[in-house]
Amino acid sequence: DAGVIQSPRHEVTEMGQEVTLRCKPISGHNSLFWYRQTMMRGLELLIYFNNNVPIDDSGMPEDRFSAKMPNASFSTLKIQPSEPRDSAVYFCASSSRAGGGETQYFGPGTRLLVL
Amino acid sequence: AQSVTQLDSQVPVFEEAPVELRCNYSSSVSVYLFWYVQYPNQGLQLLLKYLSGSTLVKGINGFEAEFNKSQTSFHLRKPSVHISDTAEYFCAVTLVGGYQKVTFGTGTKLQVIP
Repeated sequence: DAGVIQSPRHEVTEMGQEVTLRCKPISGHNSLFWYRQTMMRGLELLIYFNNNVPIDDSGMPEDRFSAKMPNASFSTLKIQPSEPRDSAVYFCASSSRAGGGETQYFGPGTRLLVL
Repeated sequence: AQSVTQLDSQVPVFEEAPVELRCNYSSSVSVYLFWYVQYPNQGLQLLLKYLSGSTLVKGINGFEAEFNKSQTSFHLRKPSVHISDTAEYFCAVTLVGGYQKVTFGTGTKLQVIP
């Protein structure tokens, strides 16, 4: 299995631009998570999907952030407009189901720099 | 709500020496506990997890952890570290039952010195 795939691996953009991060979960996994990692705040859960439906988006920082999962094999996290404080590493993770002590499998991350 | 505390932000240790990375959690109900490792420029990967049963859990790469309910701890240990163990280690907790958000600690950077 190829594992969780994220693209792009690196993104540099200017403040105000739209940024779209992409994720392909492991085939057969029903749950997908988006995390953000920064030095100041550590690893934060942004949103969680189960069977393509958003279940918990309480971690989404503000309306500039949106996430979709149109099918079981693809999800996007969009930031519009982007701001310098959005600079971070964004991880996507998937698991066979949420809860129950299931292991989350992380992608390699997208390193975002907003100038 | 649950929380997890990793008191040590950095732990330097000489190669082949033993190491213990500390993790304490807070919860009023039963929990599942995890240790994940993050190598430079990579995502997190599972080292080991405690769900139930034996309190001593063995994981990959020679690591083990012991669940101590009375101390609310889940410390990670390795008897002899290698250079390749240099990484950041995250303790995580989730509540038992249904979908429960996984809460990660702030991480401990293990620096293995040759």
